[in-house]
Amino acid sequence: SYDLSQPPSVSVSPGQTATITCSGHKLGDKYVCWYQQKPGQSPVLVIYKDLQRPSGIPERFSGSNSGNTATLTIGGTQAMDEADYYCQAWDINTVAFGGGTKLTVL
Amino acid sequence: EVQLLESGGGLVQPGGSLRLSCAATGFTFSTNAMTWVRQAPGKGLEWVSTFSGGGDNTYYADSVKGRFIVSRDNSKNIFYVQMNSLSAEDTAVYYCAKDDHDHGITDWGQGTLVTVSS
Repeated sequence: SYDLSQPPSVSVSPGQTATITCSGHKLGDKYVCWYQQKPGQSPVLVIYKDLQRPSGIPERFSGSNSGNTATLTIGGTQAMDEADYYCQAWDINTVAFGGGTKLTVL
Repeated sequence: EVQLLESGGGLVQPGGSLRLSCAATGFTFSTNAMTWVRQAPGKGLEWVSTFSGGGDNTYYADSVKGRFIVSRDNSKNIFYVQMNSLSAEDTAVYYCAKDDHDHGITDWGQGTLVTVSS
């Protein structure tokens, strides 16, 4: 199986930039997606194909992927961005999710 | 608007079986891959299985291979997972999702809770 690693938690002050990383072997050779999940809700896709934003996702969400690390960046973080974030990639007919990162805005 | 509605969750004894259903509307179901993802209480997302769109290819996580079987009825726009030999480790909310592969898992159902306990 393919392993993706994320930091368990990240904290950021309102208005600052939050950075969440996702690491995996040669991850840069794969496409990475990112999902946001708020308590009691289903996940929401916020980034696909490393850096593309689905319709309706604010421009403050951006992504990158190179080498062994993909990064989700939230610029000008707002209180509403407090949530769990998961990275995801396909690897040889299996799907891998990272363990998730709890983003705290304080 | 894409809508995915799961059903069939509930309490089942260890070693038992359960079938979940996912009724899909708002998109061309037959040509779209569909995926089950689960989330144990207080834990992260875990991919379970994917059924390809426009074909018969199925893919399973090692944790469920040989016990779970996914299927789809393209005439009724329903996606299923048959879960056998259930154990406490299978206790989770099970999400049905529309899977656009590299474009991501674009739409998720509200989830259905499966509890395996005696």
